[in-house]
Amino acid sequence: SQQGEEDPQALSIQEGENATMNCSYKTSINNLQWYRQNSGRGLVHLILIRSNEREKHSGRLRVTLDTSKKSSSLLITASRAADTASYFCATDSGGSNYKLTFGKGTLLTVNP
Amino acid sequence: SQTIHQWPATLVQPVGSPLSLECTVEGTSNPNLYWYRQAAGRGLQLLFYSVGIGQISSEVPQNLSASRPQDRQFILSSKKLLLSDSGFYLCAWSKGPRGGFGNGTRLTVT
Repeated sequence: SQQGEEDPQALSIQEGENATMNCSYKTSINNLQWYRQNSGRGLVHLILIRSNEREKHSGRLRVTLDTSKKSSSLLITASRAADTASYFCATDSGGSNYKLTFGKGTLLTVNP
Repeated sequence: SQTIHQWPATLVQPVGSPLSLECTVEGTSNPNLYWYRQAAGRGLQLLFYSVGIGQISSEVPQNLSASRPQDRQFILSSKKLLLSDSGFYLCAWSKGPRGGFGNGTRLTVT
């Protein structure tokens, strides 16, 4: 079953704009991660946020986590055409941070 | 450093044929190993995970099986493929907080 549900399912923006993607989940988690997938290729790990953290930054990425609402957001600032990809959130409930439940993903298109 | 190898990258197989996808990890010992599948337009679903040689846990009922004959080798198999087995298969490893995904195998069952 899908734990994480991202929205929107698809997002199209212009280069330089910010992109915000949201993820909701249903059960208690240990960690929440965001991954990127270029079309038909493997996953690239972007960022991991623990359940006791509320915000994390990495370069142009900002992730927030609200465990009371069981939701997370991924913000990509100053987007570039190369950011075009699918973005997935994934959660684990402990034991291993690779025993993951993924959402369906958000397809981000950044137009030059 | 750890690396994970997964092959083949693409595979086209007829319905009813057998399947064997292989994944090996280098640079670590006794990792946890995982097989994920991604159907078209969907997220990844965990199929199997293994915490040691010969130890396999299945997450979803299906037409596939997994085996771990060596510490750093994980194999995904099927005796007879179904059309619904088409998808993108990813192997992953983890040990403590570290881990990673392979580059995936795109399987098309015709």
